[in-house]
Amino acid sequence: GESVGLHLPTLSVQEGDNSIINCAYSNSASDYFIWYKQESGKGPQFIIDIRSNMDKRQGQRVTVLLNKTVKHLSLQIAATQPGDSAVYFCAENKEMDSSYKLIFGSGTRLLVRP
Amino acid sequence: EADIYQTPRYLVIGTGKKITLECSQTMGHDKMYWYQQDPGMELHLIHYSYGVNSTEKGDLSSESTVSRIRTEHFPLTLESARPSHTSQYLCASSERFRTGDGYTFGSGTRLTVV
Repeated sequence: GESVGLHLPTLSVQEGDNSIINCAYSNSASDYFIWYKQESGKGPQFIIDIRSNMDKRQGQRVTVLLNKTVKHLSLQIAATQPGDSAVYFCAENKEMDSSYKLIFGSGTRLLVRP
Repeated sequence: EADIYQTPRYLVIGTGKKITLECSQTMGHDKMYWYQQDPGMELHLIHYSYGVNSTEKGDLSSESTVSRIRTEHFPLTLESARPSHTSQYLCASSERFRTGDGYTFGSGTRLTVV
């Protein structure tokens, strides 16, 4: 079946370093790939998305890379800060039966060491 | 500031009780969704609605039911709670549901059935 999975369950980085969170997906038919940040006790918060016809998109301190050849998605966070500590989910917005559905991966916990 | 509200935030209830989890949004979104999430795990879509009097089951089978009588309100009901229903339930809404930034999530209800 279709799935969106993550390579690492936990990532620990030093404050100020760059973080890279990876995600593999198995379904090639999605229109958008999305990264969400979820802090403890809160719902997922949109970070950045990328359309399937792009390979890179930059936001403020974040960059998403999409490699459709190997079905791989990554989120790069520059100069990681303590406030970046959270669980990060990749998701794909896939068209199904004339509608769209968000399919989530299992999450990577990012821990920022002071 | 959240535009989608879920109540209660936490609920501990005995087996066999009927419960209703509330979700309301003030954005006038037509589309609303319920996701189930175990700690640190991905979100699974259990119900969705594309408008008033429209409800559909999601990808994960759930014993819960939903209703959509008003655009802003999308409650989820469990007729007889069981320990296997213990989880976090997240409500979301969207207008432009193709792009990732079109979704807004509530803070969730953490349900424990004892």
